[in-house]
Parts: sequence; C-alpha cells; structure tokens
Amino acid sequence: GQSLEQPSEVTAVEGAIVQINCTYQTSGFYGLSWYQQHDGGAPTFLSYNALDGLEETGRFSSFLSRSDSYGYLLLQELQMKDSASYFCAYDNYGQNFVFGPGTRLSVLP
Amino acid sequence: GAGVSQSPSNKVTEKGKDVELRCDPISGHTALYWYRQRLGQGLEFLIYFQGNSAPDKSGLPSDRFSAERTGESVSTLTIQRTQQEDSAVYLCASSLLRAEAFFGQGTRLTVV
Repeated sequence: GQSLEQPSEVTAVEGAIVQINCTYQTSGFYGLSWYQQHDGGAPTFLSYNALDGLEETGRFSSFLSRSDSYGYLLLQELQMKDSASYFCAYDNYGQNFVFGPGTRLSVLP
Repeated sequence: GAGVSQSPSNKVTEKGKDVELRCDPISGHTALYWYRQRLGQGLEFLIYFQGNSAPDKSGLPSDRFSAERTGESVSTLTIQRTQQEDSAVYLCASSLLRAEAFFGQGTRLTVV
C-alpha cells in the first residue's frame, strides 16, 4: 500500500535545531515534499527532494534516502513562528500528492 | 489570479442538504486537487484533475461526493445529502510542476 509515517509531536526551544522524520511505503514516486501549516491556515510548500541527498533552503533543509525509504526536514535557528504542523508528501507519479499525518512542532521560548 | 481562491470560506448546512464548494486555481495550472482535513488530522486525498479530466477519483469517500472542472479552470466539489461526518475543511490545490502544490485557504464545512 501507500503510506507515510511521521512523529505526531515534536517540541524544541528557540534557537535550537530540530529534525522531523518521515518514513514511507510506496512502490515509487517522483519526489518527497515538505509543507508547513499554521493553525487555521493553508499548507505552504517548503522543500522538495527529487534525488537522494540534502536540499538546503535558508534555515530549512530536507533530506531523502530512497534506499532507506526515509526523509527528514531539518529546521535550524528555531523561531517562535516555526510553531506549526509539518507534513511530508510524495508525488504519486504525477497523479496526486499523498500526505503524511503531520508533525506538530511546538517552539518554546 | 495571484493564488488559489476558494469559496465560501465557511459554510454551515443542515444535515441532508446539498452543498457546493468552489475552487479557482492559479491561472495556467493544469493540475487541480481536492483534499479533506478533519480537525487536527492530515490531508485526505479526494480527487485529482489533469485539465478537465479526473484520472483519479479513488479518494471520493462515497457516491454522495462528486466534482467537476470546466475550462481547465474552476472546479466545484458537490456533497449531496450531507452528513455530520462530512464536517471538515475542504482544501483545493493547484500545481504546474510536480514538486509544489499551491493551496487555497479552504472551505470550513459544518453540518448541523
């Protein structure tokens, strides 16, 4: 079947680094994406990995290892505004985006 | 337009009534998606359009749900004979590239 798994909650303090893991089961996909969603808001795109390795976009980095069916989102220099839910999602060969259950990140002062 | 627009933003309806939700995607985006998100939950895939055709309707939860897209633009999601379990936020997204989907603010549907 198709599925993704993420931790339900992560807590960290301002200025710290946090890693949100995502494992998946699928027969194949084009790439793994990450989205951020604040309470009451729409999901917004953060990062995409088409190939194995690390992609860096400012304070956010994302990693993919297809051989391990694993990816992660790394958030550095955490800020209070980073408190949100984070979703990994894979592109199901252009048919649709399959989303994980989401990880709720709480950043403490 | 500048972004994906959904209307109405909020809808309260009585159980058993039909509702129609509208999505205006970003101009030129060929792919359009509908998702449902219950409170505190993830995004549940409903249907995907490529142009005006829907190659994947596998996520529609029952035959009370239907969707159409016209002119490779506006899409409507119709829920007939609404039930309380239909209460959720319905999100529409459009995309041009595989990597990134742009989401609207959603329609919060409450069935009473």
